[in-house]
Amino acid sequence: DTAVSQTPKYLVTQMGNDKSIKCEQNLGHDTMYWYKQDSKKFLKIMFSYNNKELIINETVPNRFSPKSPDKAHLNLHINSLELGDSAVYFCASSQGGSGNTIYFGEGSWLTVV
Amino acid sequence: QKEVEQNSGPLSVPEGAIASLNCTYSDRGSQSFFWYRQYSGKSPELIMSIYSNGDKEDGRFTAQLNKASQYVSLLIRDSQPSDSATYLCARYSGTYKYIFGTGTRLKVLA
Repeated sequence: DTAVSQTPKYLVTQMGNDKSIKCEQNLGHDTMYWYKQDSKKFLKIMFSYNNKELIINETVPNRFSPKSPDKAHLNLHINSLELGDSAVYFCASSQGGSGNTIYFGEGSWLTVV
Repeated sequence: QKEVEQNSGPLSVPEGAIASLNCTYSDRGSQSFFWYRQYSGKSPELIMSIYSNGDKEDGRFTAQLNKASQYVSLLIRDSQPSDSATYLCARYSGTYKYIFGTGTRLKVLA
């Protein structure tokens, strides 16, 4: 029973398309995140949500729009995909904002061609 | 200056040896630190968290934290080929934000 699950795992799409990635966690956590990992393995935070409220938007282009319908779900919609959006996108969750462990989903491999 | 710095490696150690991975950080106010292991094509998985100065041991892994010197390290005893992976150091910077280093690639040679 996967704690943080993302779909789809692989995504190959053309420039200019719109795509969505969905994330669900069953850990009972109240905080969820989107991280982007580039080809050099650098994990960079994009967004964090606490109790469905956006807390961090780390200067991500407006083409990226996260949505959290409830504490257990966090989706990421990307408009007008560009080549530079190719990366692995990780959803993650943690309990609260006091430095507890953050747990990652399996990742969504996005390739824009 | 990067907020969390790690040597990218690769760090190569023979099987059975001790692997020593280091991480430095720039924010003296950091309180929570983490080591994650990431195999190629997989997601980061937690090895250990550490919050207090000193050593914390879990099986073959020991994390060491020195807040005065702003570094955190991970020792892997009796290294196995299955330990070959990228090790990510992270710190909690407050306000629902975890900052990661770029990782150190470890190769354990059989």
